Amino acid sequence: ETGVTQTPRHLVMGMTNKKSLKCEQHLGHNAMYWYKQSAKKPLELMFVYNFKEQTENNSVPSRFSPECPNSSHLFLHLHTLQPEDSALYLCASSLPGLALVGNEQFFGPGTRLTVL
Amino acid sequence: TQLLEQSPQFLSIQEGENLTVYCNSSSVFSSLQWYRQEPGEGPVLLVTVVTGGEVKKLKRLTFQFGDARKDSSLHITAAQPGDTGLYLCAGSRGYSGAGSYQLTFGKGTKLSVIP
Repeated sequence: ETGVTQTPRHLVMGMTNKKSLKCEQHLGHNAMYWYKQSAKKPLELMFVYNFKEQTENNSVPSRFSPECPNSSHLFLHLHTLQPEDSALYLCASSLPGLALVGNEQFFGPGTRLTVL
Repeated sequence: TQLLEQSPQFLSIQEGENLTVYCNSSSVFSSLQWYRQEPGEGPVLLVTVVTGGEVKKLKRLTFQFGDARKDSSLHITAAQPGDTGLYLCAGSRGYSGAGSYQLTFGKGTKLSVIP
């Protein structure tokens, strides 16, 4: 138990569906992240939020839409996805820290997404 | 683009054996982290190394950061079935100036320790 929860753990959706992934952290952190983990590829950073403000969008297609209503919650809204979007979607959080140290990121268990 | 190459990609060993996995880059990182990810779970941080040449020990695990801060290794002594998992290295570019950090991950080494 890392203090970061994600729901649902598994999701199967058609290409025309709209669904949302939810992430909640109970650690008092201020930064939250969405990553995509596909087979045979490194973890890909998708979005970064700090104090509810989006600070990074790594060229993610618009069919993925993040939302961060407060520092504890992060959503990823999905619509008209493609089969190649099937992957494990991981949420993480961290505290701002010293400038010279890569701060520890605490990951949730992920949502296994399958797009049919 | 800063890339991290991990080797080997897959490793299957018998319980009690020693092993080393590597993480290499042509870029310099301000720090490097090692994570272990078990099936159905997210990555869990094992260690952060910051100083070139630094060596950190965590029970049977020994982590080393290269002198030039471009590479790192993880050595496991007397591996146990509980060590099975995906080992990921991640390099930090440091503080982004926006209150958050970005990590560049390698593809990982999938370790299986057979009883």
